[in-house]
Amino acid sequence: GENVEQHPSTLSVQEGDSAVIKCTYSDSASNYFPWYKQELGKGPQLIIDIRSNVGEKKDQRIAVTLNKTAKHFSLHITETQPEDSAVYFCAASIRGTNAGKSTFGDGTTLTVKP
Amino acid sequence: DAGITQSPRHKVTETGTPVTLRCHQTENHRYMYWYRQDPGHGLRLIHYSYGVKDTDKGEVSDGYSVSRSKTEDFLLTLESATSSQTSVYFCAISEGPRPTGNTIYFGEGSWLTVV
Repeated sequence: GENVEQHPSTLSVQEGDSAVIKCTYSDSASNYFPWYKQELGKGPQLIIDIRSNVGEKKDQRIAVTLNKTAKHFSLHITETQPEDSAVYFCAASIRGTNAGKSTFGDGTTLTVKP
Repeated sequence: DAGITQSPRHKVTETGTPVTLRCHQTENHRYMYWYRQDPGHGLRLIHYSYGVKDTDKGEVSDGYSVSRSKTEDFLLTLESATSSQTSVYFCAISEGPRPTGNTIYFGEGSWLTVV
């Protein structure tokens, strides 16, 4: 089955700096890669996703890049703000299949210091 | 926010007692899921449902059962709670398999402590 590894497990940055979280996956059939943000005491929320026919996707201060050959994808947050502090999860799945087949990374706790 | 309501949000129970967590959705999504979240393990799928009375096991289903009698409600039952089932439980929903991708929407979580 699919295996998703996420690094780092914790990340601390100064406000205004950039943050990068990387995930690697094992199943070359995976073609959908969402990222979720989980704030303290809440459920994860989708913040951005990318499909395997796209190499990069941006949404304001966040971007995701995908390298299919190397089987890794990364979340980039620029100009970090204290409200970006949260746990971030990556996931991998195959489009057109049951979403419950998604495999999640173990999460990265991002702390943005004012 | 997706219309997902979990109850109870917090519960403390004793080992050996039955516990039922409820998930209610207002989105009319076909698929519903129960995950548990534990430190170092991320999110792990317990059970899921792909329609009324249609359910299947996830990767950590032992000790749990589910039922879905209505589209909007998905119940997770711990028949005899154990300390290893102390966790945060998330209900989630999705429209079902889509060629564009499989977006999952999560509820706010239910914190369960088994003492």
